[in-house]
Amino acid sequence: DAGVIQSPRHEVTEMGQEVTLRCKPISGHDYLFWYRQTMMRGLELLIYFNNNVPIDDSGMPEDRFSAKMPNASFSTLKIQPSEPRDSAVYFCASRGEGNQPQHFGDGTRLSIL
Amino acid sequence: AQKITQTQPGMFVQEKEAVTLDCTYDTSDPSYGLFWYKQPSSGEMIFLIYQGSYDQQNATEGRYSLNFQKARKSANLVISASQLGDSAMYFCAMREGITGGGNKLTFGTGTQLKVEL
Repeated sequence: DAGVIQSPRHEVTEMGQEVTLRCKPISGHDYLFWYRQTMMRGLELLIYFNNNVPIDDSGMPEDRFSAKMPNASFSTLKIQPSEPRDSAVYFCASRGEGNQPQHFGDGTRLSIL
Repeated sequence: AQKITQTQPGMFVQEKEAVTLDCTYDTSDPSYGLFWYKQPSSGEMIFLIYQGSYDQQNATEGRYSLNFQKARKSANLVISASQLGDSAMYFCAMREGITGGGNKLTFGTGTQLKVEL
């Protein structure tokens, strides 16, 4: 079975540029989560969706960050404009109903110069 | 207060030995779930094992078992017969309100395990 698919795996860009991270959840999973992992702050939940609807975006750091889920098989996390402090590994995860675990993608390692 | 506490930043174990990674949690919700994830140096997050607060028995998955002590609010991960491939960062996580629609996972800071020959 295909797991959660994220792209790109690595992204290096200059500050001020727009960055778009992409995620395809596991088919049939109703929940999709975006996380950020840094050495200083560990794993932080940014936002999550249920049935394509954003439920909780309280972890989104500021207005430069936005996330969308136009359909059940695709989500994006966008940073515009990007800053060096946004450098981190960004994970997407999905899960099914009930007490199912979240399954994570391989992450996108983002470096903003 | 921290919801998930992992007090061991690093652990060493010899190959073929068993190792216990500690995790304590803090919640007033009677319905919660506890999860362990493994993050190897390659970076991916791999789900290992789950324990529900109402589960009567400790969870087991192959060489992984969860020593769940509800009164002490601890959910330690036990890895038996350690292998070199077990060297990784291990995260404990909790989801509160699991039967009432709670969806957020709160992660601990992780324990870096190194398996030695």
